[in-house]
This record gives sequence, C-alpha cells and structure tokens, in this order.
Amino acid sequence: EAGVTQFPSHSVIEKGQTVTLRCDPISGHDNLYWYRRVMGKEIKFLLHFVKESKQDESGMPNNRFLAERTGGTYSTLKVQPAELEDSGVYFCASSQTITGEAFFGQGTRLTVV
Amino acid sequence: EDQVTQSPEALRLQEGESSSLNCSYTVSGLRGLFWYRQDPGKGPEFLFTLYSAGEEKEKERLKATLTKKESFLHITAPKPEDSATYLCAVLNQAGTALIFGKGTTLSVSS
Repeated sequence: EAGVTQFPSHSVIEKGQTVTLRCDPISGHDNLYWYRRVMGKEIKFLLHFVKESKQDESGMPNNRFLAERTGGTYSTLKVQPAELEDSGVYFCASSQTITGEAFFGQGTRLTVV
Repeated sequence: EDQVTQSPEALRLQEGESSSLNCSYTVSGLRGLFWYRQDPGKGPEFLFTLYSAGEEKEKERLKATLTKKESFLHITAPKPEDSATYLCAVLNQAGTALIFGKGTTLSVSS
C-alpha cells in the first residue's frame, strides 16, 4: 500500500515568488492534515480537511496561504507571495478517522531566499 | 493553552544502556497522548496512543506510560537502530489536530 506522498521534496524560491506543494494521501483516507516545522520549533498544525471540506484551518498563519482539496483526493498548499519566515518543512498526513494516529508524508523542505 | 514539553532535547546512550524520555503536557481534557518516531529526512511515524493515567503500551524495546501530567517513553537495552527523534503529541480541544512537543533526539552508539 502506498503511503502519503508529497511533492516536491525540496523547493528553493525567492521572496515574493509563489510555490505550490502537493500531497497525495493514502487512498480512502477522508482526513488530510497539513503541518509545518520551522527550524528550532515544534511541528505545528496548519489545517484539516475532511474529504474536500476544510474542517479546521485555525493554524493557517495568514492569507498568503491557500489550501485546496478538490474532489477529496490530493491536496495542494499554495504560498503566495512567499516570505522568508515561510521557510521550513511542510508535512502532510492522512487518516481514515479523525484521530491522532495519522500517517505522515516525508515532507517538503521549503527554503525562501 | 494546550502545551507539550519534552525533555531532554538530546540524549546519547551506549548500546544496551536503558533510559527514559519525558513528555509533560497541559491540556483541557486529554483526548489521547501520542508518541511518534521521526528519522532524518522522513515524516513522523506513529508508535503509541495512550488515553488514561496508568495505561501502558509496549513495542519491542519501547514502553510508553501515562500519568495525569506526563508520559514516559522507556527504552530498554537500546540498539543503534533506535536512534531517531521521538515526538510526543496530544490532540487539541476540538480533537482535530495534534499539538507536538519539540522532540527528543536519541543517539545510540555501539
């Protein structure tokens, strides 16, 4: 069974540019989560989808971040325009039910220069 | 505010030298305490869930325990392959998101 897959693994962009991260959850998992780890800090929640609906987006830092999950399958997280403080590792996770037992992807390391 | 604090930040052990990692938590109504393992360049991998004080879970050389204020991850006779960052987390009040600690990075040398 394929795990959670994230693309790209690494991305280096200039401040002010746009970047789109993609997450393919485990097939059949209705719940999809985005988390972020900024250097030196803990992993922090960004948002939670149930199928295509945003269940909780309380962790989104500001309106430069836009997450979508069209059709309840894969999800994208767009940062526009990117700022230096957006650098970090972005993780996607999925689960069948709303639970803390989630399957995480390998992460996308975003560097804004 | 819900909070998770892990200690120590880093731990170096010799192979076979048992030890414990600590996770202190503050949460309004525990909906579960979770332990994850993270290897370099990878995402967290689920290990255990604990729901109530006194509960224990075991997996190979790892045993997780829970009290009303903290959890311990006991590592018995560790091997080099146990080297990783161990993360502790609780569910937020809505039950929709994990609140993580910063983790403990364990290095086991042979």
